[in-house]
Amino acid sequence: AQSVAQPEDQVNVAEGNPLTVKCTYSVSGNPYLFWYVQYPNRGLQFLLKYITGDNLVKGSYGFEAEFNKSQTSFHLKKPSALVSDSALYFCAVRPVALDSSYKLIFGSGTRLLVRP
Amino acid sequence: NAGVTQTPKFRVLKTGQSMTLLCAQDMNHEYMYWYRQDPGMGLRLIHYSVGEGTTAKGEVPDGYNVSRLKKQNFLLGLESAAPSQTSVYFCASRTGQSLDYTFGSGTRLTVV
Repeated sequence: AQSVAQPEDQVNVAEGNPLTVKCTYSVSGNPYLFWYVQYPNRGLQFLLKYITGDNLVKGSYGFEAEFNKSQTSFHLKKPSALVSDSALYFCAVRPVALDSSYKLIFGSGTRLLVRP
Repeated sequence: NAGVTQTPKFRVLKTGQSMTLLCAQDMNHEYMYWYRQDPGMGLRLIHYSVGEGTTAKGEVPDGYNVSRLKKQNFLLGLESAAPSQTSVYFCASRTGQSLDYTFGSGTRLTVV
């Protein structure tokens, strides 16, 4: 079965320190990969996506993600965390379509808490 | 403003009651999706539509029905609500040529 794993329910980091939110996937073929962020009582906001090419993808708000095909991972990173980055982060993949849906498959989410 | 609008934003239902959640998009998107979000489980696909007049089941379709009579609207119905349907429901849409998914702000549903 196709799946996305976010192994950490919560990540704690001090403001100014680098952060990493982990994501691995089990999907056939070469999927498209996404990161979304959800602030309290808000919808999902797009951060970045990987389609092809350079393994390091840069996105919104200073976030970036590193694609590793051999490890089937797509970890989200930021060099210097801000308190305002505290939110719920979702990794998602869009598999090579075996049906017509072109759906996104989501991980369980990781709560990022940045302390002052 | 262009985007995906969900109504209502909040609702409390009694077990056995019915209701319809509305998702409306003004971007002329072909694809529309209904997800539910539960703690520790991420977002799971309930139903989706690839165009006006078409719908299909997703990962967790039981207890829900959908309709897409107009391209811009995707309705999610609960015929007889159960406490297990307490969740936050998100609608999303995309055009067939794009990898950009636009999400609504969600509907928080509580079934008591």
